[in-house]
Amino acid sequence: SQQGEEDPQALSIQEGENATMNCSYKTSINNLQWYRQNSGRGLVHLILIRSNEREKHSGRLRVTLDTSKKSSSLLITASRAADTASYFCAPGFQKLVFGTGTRLLVSP
Amino acid sequence: DTGVSQNPRHKITKRGQNVTFRCDPISEHNRLYWYRQTLGQGPEFLTYFQNEAQLEKSRLLSDRFSAERPKGSFSTLEIQRTEQGDSAMYLCASSSSGGSDTQYFGPGTRLTVL
Repeated sequence: SQQGEEDPQALSIQEGENATMNCSYKTSINNLQWYRQNSGRGLVHLILIRSNEREKHSGRLRVTLDTSKKSSSLLITASRAADTASYFCAPGFQKLVFGTGTRLLVSP
Repeated sequence: DTGVSQNPRHKITKRGQNVTFRCDPISEHNRLYWYRQTLGQGPEFLTYFQNEAQLEKSRLLSDRFSAERPKGSFSTLEIQRTEQGDSAMYLCASSSSGGSDTQYFGPGTRLTVL
């Protein structure tokens, strides 16, 4: 397994705005997952995208995967204060290696 | 499906004491993982089981750490002779090798070593 690196490290937006965070990785993968973590809590699985998929949607979430650039992005549309959390990407499966995440702050 | 559960949720102990945490995975999941997370960092992999077999251990897992999954269901993580540097959130996750292998995490056990 390999580490995903999230960017930016921190993001501050107003409610209703869209939030985009990016993930880069180094070697070929079969899939990539995004997780959310509210302060002091466990990780919540958001979405899994496979290497043969380019885009995937789940509610207000849109994930893209560009295997040629070894990057993924997570877009949260019409953000809410409840979206305030840290977001992590995890390339591969089994032994997941996490970066430091993107800390998203959504202000009312 | 009640999700992954961990007990206790919080543990405060004195340096030098032993502590044990328990993780109950999602019932049909055959894989179970332990991670450790310190403030401001992402979770770090410690070890994982497939059924009762421990298949991989991180170098982070010193001799003071031991994990078991005796019947391929719940797992325990024991830390002997705790040190202040062991203070962290210990996260458990489970997955099914027969499915997408997506890992689902429990709420974690927060350990504070005084």
